[in-house]
Amino acid sequence: QVQLVESGGGLVKPGGSLRLSCAASGFTFSDYYMSWIRQAPGKGLEWVSYISSSSSYTNYADSVKGRFTISRDNAKNSLYLQMNSLRAEDTAVYYCARGEVLLDAFDIWGQGTMVTVSS
Amino acid sequence: DIQMTQSPSSLSASVGDRVTITCRASQSISSYLNWYQQKPGKAPKLLIYAASSLQSGVPSRFSGSGSGTDFTLTISSLQPEDFATYYCQQSYSTPVFTFGPGTKVDIK
Repeated sequence: QVQLVESGGGLVKPGGSLRLSCAASGFTFSDYYMSWIRQAPGKGLEWVSYISSSSSYTNYADSVKGRFTISRDNAKNSLYLQMNSLRAEDTAVYYCARGEVLLDAFDIWGQGTMVTVSS
Repeated sequence: DIQMTQSPSSLSASVGDRVTITCRASQSISSYLNWYQQKPGKAPKLLIYAASSLQSGVPSRFSGSGSGTDFTLTISSLQPEDFATYYCQQSYSTPVFTFGPGTKVDIK
């Protein structure tokens, strides 16, 4: 079935780095744009980053620009988020989400992976 | 940047009630407005896209309306499984996306 599965979350110290992965299955990954969206504990949803279907275009929220890098490997049906210079305010559940061009919406979401930035 | 607001931030309702949630954009976003439902500990689920189109598999008691800056999500007859938090999201400024702050619907 159509599925996204995130991994790579964990506890990291401020200033540290972490790489999140999102494995896609059940659909043609290379046909869709993808995003990372996060949710701090008890808070709302915050869009983090976007990558086009062919990786030709990426974009970031101001809060992570210059620190996070989104990438994808269409041959491996995988999405990544390299997070550097992590701060306490980056603590959140990170979701990968599939962007459906025809809907202009995120129609499939992973279960999320928790990132905790703390000393 | 486009800012999204929602009202109310929370509401209490009973099973069978008609519930309406409002979302407002800081500038016109045409019909580029989506609604998501999120239950505790779960990922969000797409309910409505393009302001008024029902996502496949979503019950018909959910409906959306609006265009420009003002939008509504209506649940015609609230069911026990509908108690959740609802978020609006604009896709007008793709590839920059903005979510509203959410509306929590709980049991009266």
